[in-house]
Amino acid sequence: EPEVTQTPSHQVTQMGQEVILRCVPISNHLYFYWYRQILGQKVEFLVSFYNNEISEKSEIFDDQFSVERPDGSNFTLKIRSTKLEDSAMYFCASSEIGGSYEQYFGPGTRLTVT
Amino acid sequence: QKEVEQDPGPLSVPEGAIVSLNCTYSNSAFQYFMWYRQYSRKGPELLMYTYSSGNKEDGRFTAQVDKSSKYISLFIRDSQPSDSATYLCAMIASYDKVIFGPGTSLSVIP
Repeated sequence: EPEVTQTPSHQVTQMGQEVILRCVPISNHLYFYWYRQILGQKVEFLVSFYNNEISEKSEIFDDQFSVERPDGSNFTLKIRSTKLEDSAMYFCASSEIGGSYEQYFGPGTRLTVT
Repeated sequence: QKEVEQDPGPLSVPEGAIVSLNCTYSNSAFQYFMWYRQYSRKGPELLMYTYSSGNKEDGRFTAQVDKSSKYISLFIRDSQPSDSATYLCAMIASYDKVIFGPGTSLSVIP
């Protein structure tokens, strides 16, 4: 069964450093998403992406964040200058169609900022 | 008032019990309603989605939506220890932005 994959599973970085989280969405999906979940809190939407453009973003997704689809398979989330409060699980998701209730999530990357 | 509220639990039931999980919401613009299951330190796994008010059944799972009351439920029949997880209700109003509830932790005791 096709699945969303994410690397690395755990990333430790120092405050102020840049990190790139990587995702490989399901191959025939065209819509991509990033979410985050701070430990003990709810899953929060960050951004949606289609046709090489951001289609929607939340207030969390400020100028420190960017997304990119550098090739035909990868989808990345970059945090330019990490803060302690960026420590969270980051989930990538993909869907076949937009506005979709059928989003499939990856296993997540646990980001720890020290 | 929070957009989506969910009793955090933890909810503990014996194996074989019927489980009822519920969410309320405040935004009448929500159109699609989903239930996800999340095991510890894993990504959410889509269980079911519904659009209209009413019931939708899939195996041991039944999702129920009451838009007039802004209330959704997930029922699990013949619960199994493998059902032990956190259950997240989720909703879509605007195009792609899924709003999650905080989740209910469920333990099914053998």
